Amino acid sequence: EVQLVESGGGLIHPGGSLRLSCAASGFTLRSYWMHWVRQAPGKGLVWVSRANSGGSDTHYEDSVKGRFTISRDNDKNMLYLQMHSLRAEDTALYYCARGDNYAWDPLDVWGQGTTVTVSS
Amino acid sequence: QSALTQPASVSGSPGQSITISCTGTSSDVGGYNYVSWYQQHPGKAPKLIIYAVSNRPSGVSNRFSGSKSGNTASLTISGLQAEDEAEYYCNSYTSSPSSVFGTGTKVTVL
Repeated sequence: EVQLVESGGGLIHPGGSLRLSCAASGFTLRSYWMHWVRQAPGKGLVWVSRANSGGSDTHYEDSVKGRFTISRDNDKNMLYLQMHSLRAEDTALYYCARGDNYAWDPLDVWGQGTTVTVSS
Repeated sequence: QSALTQPASVSGSPGQSITISCTGTSSDVGGYNYVSWYQQHPGKAPKLIIYAVSNRPSGVSNRFSGSKSGNTASLTISGLQAEDEAEYYCNSYTSSPSSVFGTGTKVTVL
């Protein structure tokens, strides 16, 4: 079964750091662009970041540029999102999602998400 | 990157057809045929229902169809059913390059 499972969320103080992980199973991660998407409580989806199959080409939403870093370990079938300088507005459910061969391909597999709460 | 504009809510009776619009700019919706649509039921992860403007993934009902004209993409749900009640989001590749979702539309089946 093709599956994505996120972990690493939690309660963090403003200014803190957190690393999210996404474990892929049922498919070979190295063949796909991978994305992070977030959803604040009661709000809509917001695309956050994506990385190409090798991790060398990465893109970010403007509000997280310079604070978040997407990376991947294809040998371990893992995707990561390192988050620094966290703000209250980063509070959200974070999903990892699978693209395909190109940056513009749709997201056809989603995890269930991991919750990040930034609060003092 | 500003979110694509969708109506906050659309409703219809069972069996009817409804259309959800998704308006962007020439830097996203209007510039690329890379618009996708996602359905999200409460407490669930989003599900891809349309990609590349008008293509349906395997297993998605043919009651869902997509189109685009200029800077506006549209999702039509025909033969509305109770199970279609959900939040719907459009998404587009952008010239930044990045990606952007729409503001979301709540579909209510009356």
